[in-house]
Amino acid sequence: ETGVTQTPRHLVMGMTNKKSLKCEQHLGHNAMYWYKQSAKKPLELMFVYSLEERVENNSVPSRFSPECPNSSHLFLHLHTLQPEDSALYLCASSQDRQARATLHFGNGTRLTVT
Amino acid sequence: EDKVVQSPLSLVVHEGDTVTLNCSYEVTNFRSLLWYKQEKKAPTFLFMLTSSGIEKKSGRLSSILDKKELFSILNITATQTGDSAVYLCAVERRWGTNAGKSTFGDGTTLTVKP
Repeated sequence: ETGVTQTPRHLVMGMTNKKSLKCEQHLGHNAMYWYKQSAKKPLELMFVYSLEERVENNSVPSRFSPECPNSSHLFLHLHTLQPEDSALYLCASSQDRQARATLHFGNGTRLTVT
Repeated sequence: EDKVVQSPLSLVVHEGDTVTLNCSYEVTNFRSLLWYKQEKKAPTFLFMLTSSGIEKKSGRLSSILDKKELFSILNITATQTGDSAVYLCAVERRWGTNAGKSTFGDGTTLTVKP
């Protein structure tokens, strides 16, 4: 149990589908993150939320739309994805964005786009 | 742009061997270097290093940072099959623009054979 829970664990979707990834943290942290991990590539930071406000968007295509309704929950809404978007999507949290020591990761959602 | 290079990319050893993993970096406003272990999905935190020359140790694992030469090493002694994993190195920026942003390396895949 990492304290960060992601659902679903696996997702297969077509290019015209709309789906959402969910992340929940039970650690009382104020910052949450979405990372993408593709095969043979380093972890890529996608979005950073601090106190429910998006503070960083690393040139992520608009077909990925994050939502942070409160400091414990983070969503990633997916729409008209491409096969190259297939990857492991990891959610993480930290105490806060600027003074954090470590990231706590969830187990990820393995996404396959067909 | 921040850069983290890990070497080797993969390594196969036998139980009982000692291994050294390398991480070199270039980052604006360095704050810390972090090592993570990723066995299946969620990376788990190993060490955070902020000062040169001070060894961090946890059981058979140890790590040290050289801020002058911009690298860190992760040592694992008396390796066990349970040490098989991808080891990730990340650097974190200090305050200011993109404070707290982590940049990850490609990782080193360690396989320990019985």
